[in-house]
Amino acid sequence: EAGVAQSPRYKIIEKRQSVAFWCNPISGHATLYWYQQILGQGPKLLIQFQNNGVVDDSQLPKDRFSAERLKGVDSTLKIQPAKLEDSAVYLCASSLWRSDTYNEQFFGPGTRLTVL
Amino acid sequence: AQSVTQLGSHVSVSEGALVLLRCNYSSSVPPYLFWYVQYPNQGLQLLLKYTSAATLVKGINGFEAEFKKSETSFHLTKPSAHMSDAAEYFCAVSDKTSYDKVIFGPGTSLSVIP
Repeated sequence: EAGVAQSPRYKIIEKRQSVAFWCNPISGHATLYWYQQILGQGPKLLIQFQNNGVVDDSQLPKDRFSAERLKGVDSTLKIQPAKLEDSAVYLCASSLWRSDTYNEQFFGPGTRLTVL
Repeated sequence: AQSVTQLGSHVSVSEGALVLLRCNYSSSVPPYLFWYVQYPNQGLQLLLKYTSAATLVKGINGFEAEFKKSETSFHLTKPSAHMSDAAEYFCAVSDKTSYDKVIFGPGTSLSVIP
């Protein structure tokens, strides 16, 4: 079974530029998550999708970050314009969904963003 | 609000020695608790989870953790460290009111000395 795919793996940009990350979840997984992992910290949830609807985006800096999940499969996360503090690893995860139990999240390898 | 603390941002052990990584949680409702491992340049992988069944949980690669409600702890152990165990370990918490809202701790980097 193929895992969660992410691209690119690495990206270096200058501040105020824009950048986009792509995620392809495990086939059949209804839930998709984007996390931000700053060096030395644990992952922090940015946004959670259930199929193509947003379940939680309370920690997404909406003035510069946006995300979409068209057709309930692939997802893109965009930053525009980037700031120095956006330097981090952006992790995508996916899971099946049942309302009555914990759904294990499977993580992709991440995209390491460096903002200069 | 839920939170997780991990004592020690970096732990070093000798190969063959006991591994002990500490985790304490805060939750107003019975928690679900997890340990994840992250190898360099890879995503997170679930090691084990506690979801209100047996308090001693066994995971992959010989790791286990014990849920102690009185101490609000969920420490991770392995009897004998292997070089391949060198990685970043994250303790995390969620609960039945919001299964998918997983809050991660800051992580502990484990080094294994030959």
